[in-house]
Formats: sequence, structure tokens, C-alpha cells
Amino acid sequence: DSGVTQTPKHLITATGQRVTLRCSPRSGDLSVYWYQQSLDQGLQFLIHYYNGEERAKGNILERFSAQQFPDLHSELNLSSLELGDSALYFCASSPPDQTRGGRNTIYFGEGSWLTVV
Amino acid sequence: DAKTTQPPSMDCAEGRAANLPCNHSTISGNEYVYWYRQIHSQGPQYIIHGLKNNETNEMASLIITEDRKSSTLILPHATLRDTAVYYCIVRVAGNTNAGKSTFGDGTTLTVKP
Repeated sequence: DSGVTQTPKHLITATGQRVTLRCSPRSGDLSVYWYQQSLDQGLQFLIHYYNGEERAKGNILERFSAQQFPDLHSELNLSSLELGDSALYFCASSPPDQTRGGRNTIYFGEGSWLTVV
Repeated sequence: DAKTTQPPSMDCAEGRAANLPCNHSTISGNEYVYWYRQIHSQGPQYIIHGLKNNETNEMASLIITEDRKSSTLILPHATLRDTAVYYCIVRVAGNTNAGKSTFGDGTTLTVKP
């Protein structure tokens, strides 16, 4: 158990709909990252939040958005869903900067399976 | 981040050492080598990391060549539960970079009885 909690574990929805995925980081971790993993692609970085502020964007579609709340939990909102959005969505967290020794390990949750039908 | 190259798949007999190679010929002096693994659609799990010295922990050993252009992850006594996709990542330390890494396709290690 990494300590990162994601809900829901599984979600089936129709095209055109909107869903929200939720992530609770490990206690004390200020950074939250979102990733998408589909069958034909590897783990794709979407977005990074640090203590409520967006820090970096990866290959995130405009239909997708995220936020990190004051209690540090994060939500990934996916709208106007398409069949191709079906994937496993991971959230990960990491502790405050630990540049000494390079130990900025990221801890992944178990993912949210999204199926768009 | 420096690009890494890993073989797409490897087999290993249960109880034997699994040696997973990774090439990172464009690595910069301030970039670390990290290894993660992903067991069948579970969240990726951190294994080990290093800069230039060999490292060992309870899970594995990491051997980095002197020129740092390649490394090998060693699972000393592979078990069936070690069957997974293993990712080698090279990146600068620091929280800002921690999660932006490109995981690539990794190496699928299959441990056989």
C-alpha cells in the first residue's frame, strides 16, 4: 500500500459525459501528479500540482482539467468523453523537495479504470 | 530528461538472478537513474535509484557503469511475483521534475518456474 488513495476504482460512462476522479496523496506529500495509461501507450504524464498550484503540464487534453484543494487532495475532471479516453488513470504523490541524494520518489495509487462506451 | 533504451522483454528462471539492462548514453552529470516496476496494471512501484555509485536495498541492486552511460538492475533471487514491467528513468533530482519523467515502454520481465 503506497498510501495514495484513488476513487473510484472502476467507472463506466457514455461518450460525451463528464467524470471526476479523486486522489488523496500520502500524508505530508505536497505534490500530486496525474497520469494516463491506455492499452496502446505507456504511462503518460498529464499534470503536476504542488501545494495547490499547477507546476507542470504534460500531454493533457483541453477537455481535461485538474485542481488541488487546500487539504491537498486532487481531482481530475474529464469532460466530453470519447472512446479513446478509456484508460487507467493514476495519481501519484511525492514529499517536499528532497534534493539531497536525489530521493524524490513518487508513490503511485492503484489507479482508476475508466471505460467509455 | 535523458532518453533510455531497454530491451522489450526478458525471461528469468525462478530463484535465479534477473539482470535488467538500461542504456542512457546521453545522461547528464546531474541526472539520477531511477527504476520502477509495474505489476499487471497496478500502480508503478519505486525500486531503487542512484547517481554514480552502485546501490543496494532490500529489493534490488543497481550497478551503474563508470561512464554512467548504462546501468543494470539486479533482482538477486527472482520470484514469480517479480513478473512485471520494469522502467528505467533518468532525470534530474528535485520535486519539480519528479513526476514528469517519461516512463517509456520498459522491459517486461517474466519469471518462470
